[in-house]
Amino acid sequence: KAGVTQTPRYLIKTRGQQVTLSCSPISGHRSVSWYQQTPGQGLQFLFEYFSETQRNKGNFPGRFSGRQFSNSRSEMNVSTLELGDSALYLCASSLSAGTETQYFGPGTRLLVL
Amino acid sequence: SQQGEEDPQALSIQEGENATMNCSYKTSINNLQWYRQNSGRGLVHLILIRSNEREKHSGRLRVTLDTSKKSSSLLITASRAADTASYFCATDEGYSTLTFGKGTMLLVSP
Repeated sequence: KAGVTQTPRYLIKTRGQQVTLSCSPISGHRSVSWYQQTPGQGLQFLFEYFSETQRNKGNFPGRFSGRQFSNSRSEMNVSTLELGDSALYLCASSLSAGTETQYFGPGTRLLVL
Repeated sequence: SQQGEEDPQALSIQEGENATMNCSYKTSINNLQWYRQNSGRGLVHLILIRSNEREKHSGRLRVTLDTSKKSSSLLITASRAADTASYFCATDEGYSTLTFGKGTMLLVSP
């Protein structure tokens, strides 16, 4: 089975712009979770989607949003980018709940200038 | 917020030695997981141990869980240079999402 894929792998944006990141889960996996990883804060949970519904959301401002499509692919969007949004964004998929074994993609590294 | 906390923050050993990392958490859990991350890439799942289990093995990995002390340890035996990575524990702690610690950076020198 193909693993979790994320596109793009690298992205450079400027403050105020918006960005959309994409994640394709492992075939058959219905849960997709997103995380932000920074040196200072570590891995922080953004949100989880299951069957096109947002099931959980982390403590992030409304500028961070996401969605899941009927084929379980997910996108996350960050609007009005800030310097502090520079991070590695990781997507993970699992068969059912987000607390079971998660399979991570390689991540999208976002740099905001 | 970070719930699991790994200790030590960094560990440097020689190939062939054993590496032990610890994780402490604060509230009751259903399961605890360990993941590995190589140099800014995605995380790889290593092992999941449920709250009613005390020890689990997978190859050169041994994980123990002590729910009375709210702690877990990951032992990597006969370390190899390829084990160089950051290791994270993740817990559910009653939530329906995983929370990760800040990780232990392991350096295995040839």
